[in-house]
This record gives sequence, structure tokens and C-alpha cells, in this order.
Amino acid sequence: DTGVSQDPRHKITKRGQNVTFRCDPISEHNRLYWYRQTLGQGPEFLTYFQNEAQLEKSRLLSDRFSAERPKGSFSTLEIQRTEQGDSAMYLCASSWTSGASPYEQYFGPGTRLTVT
Amino acid sequence: QKEVEQNSGPLSVPEGAIASLNCTYSDRGSQSFFWYRQYSGKSPELIMFIYSNGDKEDGRFTAQLNKASQYVSLLIRDSQPSDSATYLCAVKTNAGKSTFGDGTTLTVKP
Repeated sequence: DTGVSQDPRHKITKRGQNVTFRCDPISEHNRLYWYRQTLGQGPEFLTYFQNEAQLEKSRLLSDRFSAERPKGSFSTLEIQRTEQGDSAMYLCASSWTSGASPYEQYFGPGTRLTVT
Repeated sequence: QKEVEQNSGPLSVPEGAIASLNCTYSDRGSQSFFWYRQYSGKSPELIMFIYSNGDKEDGRFTAQLNKASQYVSLLIRDSQPSDSATYLCAVKTNAGKSTFGDGTTLTVKP
């Protein structure tokens, strides 16, 4: 297994444009999480899925953000009408919900978004 | 008050010393506790997790949990320059999201 992968690794976009990021979790993991991280801060929770069901979404997340995991495998995070404040590292993590040590989240390399 | 608090540092220790990193949390329902290491420009890497009160050792790392005091710590023995990074404490209250602290920056000087 190659771990969590994210694409693209870097994205530069102009304010007002839409962007979409993809995350491929560790294959046997049924949970997938999205976080956002800015410089000097810890990762901030955005949303998470168990299989294809979106179980929780941060109240801080505006309606411009949407995430999907249609077949319970990869996930996409879309940001509509980007703003400069959306510039951040977007992190995806996955975990399993059974086994000897459940719930530990393993992170992908992240997608760094810059909105100009 | 933030849900998970960490001293931002920087914490500086000489090579070979013990580094002690601390974390407090506000939700008494918290059940799972994690330490991640994050190098500059990289994503967090899980290094330890602990669920029960007491100590848990893994190589040079020891995690300590005291639920009554709502306190979790990470000790790094025989610190190496390669341990220089930001250490993130994460707390999970249920089976869902983790709440992260803002991290403590550790510098190990040769």
C-alpha cells in the first residue's frame, strides 16, 4: 500500500475561480477526513466520511465548500468562488474503524492552495 | 479557550537530552489522544497514540496520559537533530473528528 495520496500537490488560482482537489485513501480504510491548515496553526477539521456517507461537516465551513465520496473510495473537495482567505494547505487523512488500534489517522502530502 | 492547548515554543534542547512536550484539553469526554510530528512544509506524521491513563513507550518516545488532569505529554529521549519539528497534539472525543492543537516547535541543537 502506498499511503494516502492527494492531487494536485499545488494549485494556484485567481480569486473567484472554482477548484477541486482529490484524495485517495489507504485502500482498506473506510474513513476519510479533510482538514485545512494555515501557517502556525494546527489542522482544522472540515468534514469526514465513513464509506460514502458524510457524517460530519464543520460549522465553520461555508456553503462554498463541498465534498463527496461517491463510491466510498476516493474523495473530492471543491471550493467555489475562491477567496484569498482560502489559501491554505488542504490535508486529507484516512483511518480504519476496527482492529487493534482503530481511528488513527494517516495523512496525505496535502494540496497547497494559493488564491491570488 | 481553545479545545486543545499546547505551548507554541520554540522548545530548544541539546542533542542527547530529553524533550518534554505538553498538551491540555478541555473536553472530559475525550477518549483518544495522538501525537503527530510535522516537518516544515510537510504533512503530519503519526508517531504515538494513547487511550488509557498512564505511560506508553515506543522506542525513544513515551506518551503519558492523565485524564483526571486532562493532560497528555510526549517525552523524547536521546533527542536528535532529526527530531527538530513541530509536534501536534490531537484529541478525539468520539469516533469522528480529531481536534488539533497548534503545535510546539522543537529544536534539537547538535
